[in-house]
Amino acid sequence: DGGITQSPKYLFRKEGQNVTLSCEQNLNHDAMYWYRQDPGQGLRLIYYSQIVNDFQKGDIAEGYSVSREKKESFPLTVTSAQKNPTAFYLCASSINSNEQFFGPGTRLTVL
Amino acid sequence: QKEVEQNSGPLSVPEGAIASLNCTYSDRGSQSFFWYRQYSGKSPELIMFIYSNGDKEDGRFTAQLNKASQYVSLLIRDSQPSDSATYLCAVRIYGQNFVFGPGTRLSVLP
Repeated sequence: DGGITQSPKYLFRKEGQNVTLSCEQNLNHDAMYWYRQDPGQGLRLIYYSQIVNDFQKGDIAEGYSVSREKKESFPLTVTSAQKNPTAFYLCASSINSNEQFFGPGTRLTVL
Repeated sequence: QKEVEQNSGPLSVPEGAIASLNCTYSDRGSQSFFWYRQYSGKSPELIMFIYSNGDKEDGRFTAQLNKASQYVSLLIRDSQPSDSATYLCAVRIYGQNFVFGPGTRLSVLP
């Protein structure tokens, strides 16, 4: 059963903590993306990766970090430097940088 | 700065009517255009994409692209209450990343 999975579905972070969001895909897609969505706003690109061991900053990369050690996995770390991390985080993948398919998302809340 | 604009809505239509959703974009180099549907609390789901000027039909959905006027629209025929969602327009320039609009909230009234 192919698809994109994200975990956890809900995540709570205390001030000053780093947290890592998981994204896994078994679609054999080369490209993977992380977006942030705030209420009433469109998706904003955080980081993307076109190939294993390579990734680039998106429009709002400050306070975030990623790795791409395997084709299937693209975890996102929200660091303590991200001052307003409460949002809905979406991971996506695409096979040829055209149509993107999204995972179910992780809702992060800062306590 | 590349921009994609949509009317935030809500757009309310009666059941069985045609819903028309519009999107304009600023970059004339845009080449690929996508419509996503997003139910409340869920992730976006791709419903249509279009690359060439004109119309593209898929079931009850029709995407229309006019590159000269820099707009892309989505028509939903025979609207159903289950079509009530936020519709996101996304635009991509070849070799670059997607730019998403803020979305239009559609409400189909029974």
